[in-house]
Amino acid sequence: EAGVAQSPRYKIIEKRQSVAFWCNPISGHATLYWYQQILGQGPKLLIQFQNNGVVDDSQLPKDRFSAERLKGVDSTLKIQPAKLEDSAVYLCASSTSGTHNSPLHFGNGTRLTVT
Amino acid sequence: AQKVTQAQTEISVVEKEDVTLDCVYETRDTTYYLFWYKQPPSGELVFLIRRNSFDEQNEISGRYSWNFQKSTSSFNFTITASQVVDSAVYFCALSEAAGYSTLTFGKGTMLLVSP
Repeated sequence: EAGVAQSPRYKIIEKRQSVAFWCNPISGHATLYWYQQILGQGPKLLIQFQNNGVVDDSQLPKDRFSAERLKGVDSTLKIQPAKLEDSAVYLCASSTSGTHNSPLHFGNGTRLTVT
Repeated sequence: AQKVTQAQTEISVVEKEDVTLDCVYETRDTTYYLFWYKQPPSGELVFLIRRNSFDEQNEISGRYSWNFQKSTSSFNFTITASQVVDSAVYFCALSEAAGYSTLTFGKGTMLLVSP
């Protein structure tokens, strides 16, 4: 099966600019996640969707970050305006359901550099 | 609140050596799930194993083995006869049973296997 697809692979922007990342999960996976991974740290959950509804966005900086999953398939994560501390790898993952029996499948991530 | 600690930041071994990666976790729940993921240089996190809190049996899969001990809140990972291809960052993660499967990751251990 095709894996989780993410684009772009790399992005360099200046602070205060906006940026968007795209994710296409594995076909049929109901749950989609966005994680932020700062260099030298483990991934941190930003937002979790079940189909097209948000089930957890408690760690999403909502003043600058937004995400949507229209039609319950692919998803877009946006940052506006970006700050230097947003430099990180943004990982998208999907699972068949939101339960613990279904492991997460991750994409290769988008590496964002904010200058 | 749940927490995962991987005290080893980086480990270097020579090929064919055995190596153990430590993971200590904290949770107030009696039902929880523990995971190990591998992140090679390509960036994609690869699922290795999931254990639930009621199953303390050790598990072996080829050169990989896992030692789960609730008494010490540890879930250690051993690679026997390491190979260069094992070089990666390894993450331990915890998910509490309540709600959806939100993973809390440790900071990761970078394993370098030299020929």
